[in-house]
This record gives sequence, structure tokens and C-alpha cells, in this order.
Amino acid sequence: DGGITQSPKYLFRKEGQNVTLSCEQNLNHDAMYWYRQDPGQGLRLIYYSQIVNDFQKGDIAEGYSVSREKKESFPLTVTSAQKNPTAFYLCASSLQETQYFGPGTRLLVL
Amino acid sequence: SQQGEEDPQALSIQEGENATMNCSYKTSINNLQWYRQNSGRGLVHLILIRSNEREKHSGRLRVTLDTSKKSSSLLITASRAADTASYFCATGGVYSSASKIIFGSGTRLSIRP
Repeated sequence: DGGITQSPKYLFRKEGQNVTLSCEQNLNHDAMYWYRQDPGQGLRLIYYSQIVNDFQKGDIAEGYSVSREKKESFPLTVTSAQKNPTAFYLCASSLQETQYFGPGTRLLVL
Repeated sequence: SQQGEEDPQALSIQEGENATMNCSYKTSINNLQWYRQNSGRGLVHLILIRSNEREKHSGRLRVTLDTSKKSSSLLITASRAADTASYFCATGGVYSSASKIIFGSGTRLSIRP
């Protein structure tokens, strides 16, 4: 059963805490992406990676970090420097132009 | 940076009617895609149209692209309740990586029974 999985579905962050969102794909795609979506808004690119061990900042990278040690995995860490982290986070992967999305993680601040 | 802007922001129609959404963009593109998002879910790819194409069909979907006006439209014919969702256009730039696309802010479509 091929696809992209994200976990957890809901995540709660305390003040000053770093949290990591998981994204795994078994589609054998080279490129992976992280987007942030605020209520009623479109998607904004946080980070993307076109190949293992390489990644680039998107439009809103401040307060976030990523790693790409394996082709299948692209975890996103929301650091304490991100002052407004409450949002819906979407991971995607692609071979060429078309992107395939995971189900998303909703991050809430306690 | 937001490339595509959808219009209208929200659209409510009766089941069975056709729904038309528009997308305008600012810079030259290689391709334009349309995605659907059901509430609280990930996006699903619907259709891709390249800059040298003018019209494309997929089932009840018809997409047009006018590069001279920098605009695209998505037509959903004979709408169904299951079409209720947000629809986003996404553009792939001429000078950016083939895999990097920019999403618009979306049209929220509601189908009334």
C-alpha cells in the first residue's frame, strides 16, 4: 500500500518546547516538501529536499529545521523560535511536477 | 510568495449545476496544476496543464489555460455533494526547480443538496 504517512495526527506543544513531525513515503520519490497551512489559507512552503542529504529553505523557514538522512523520511522540527506554530502541517513528495500529500498533522500550543 | 490567486474565494451552488473557478498568476509558468482538499485532509492532485496546452479534460473536469492573460479556469460539470472541498491552483515557474510549485489561496466550493 504505497503512499505518504504523517504522524501524529494531532500534536500539542508546550511553551519553549521543540517538537518533531514525522513524514514517511514509500513511493520512491526523490523530492519531499513541508508546507504550513493556516485556517482558510493556501499552503506556504517551509522546506524542501530534492535529494538525500540536501534541503533548501522555502518561504517561511524561520523557526523550523529539517533533515533528510534517508530517501523515505523527511522529519520537520518546530523549534521554540517559532512563536506562532499553531497550524496544519502538510508533507508531500514528488517525482516531477505532481505532488502527493500526506494526511497532515495539526499542531496546537498548550 | 503567492503566485496564483483563485477567484471566487467561496462558491455555493446547487447539486447538478456546473462550478467554475478561476486562477490568475503573475510570472511565466511551465505548467499549472489543480488540487482538491477536503476539510482537514491532505491535497489530492486533479489535473496538470502545460504552458503549450490550452485545454485539458479529465472526467467531469475541464481546465483551460490562457498564457496571454496569465489565467486558468477549472470547470466541474454536473456537481455532486462529494465535490464539496477547497480547490487550489499551483504554478510551476520557468526559472524555478521543476519540483517546486507555488499554491494559491484556494476556492471553497459548497454543493447544496
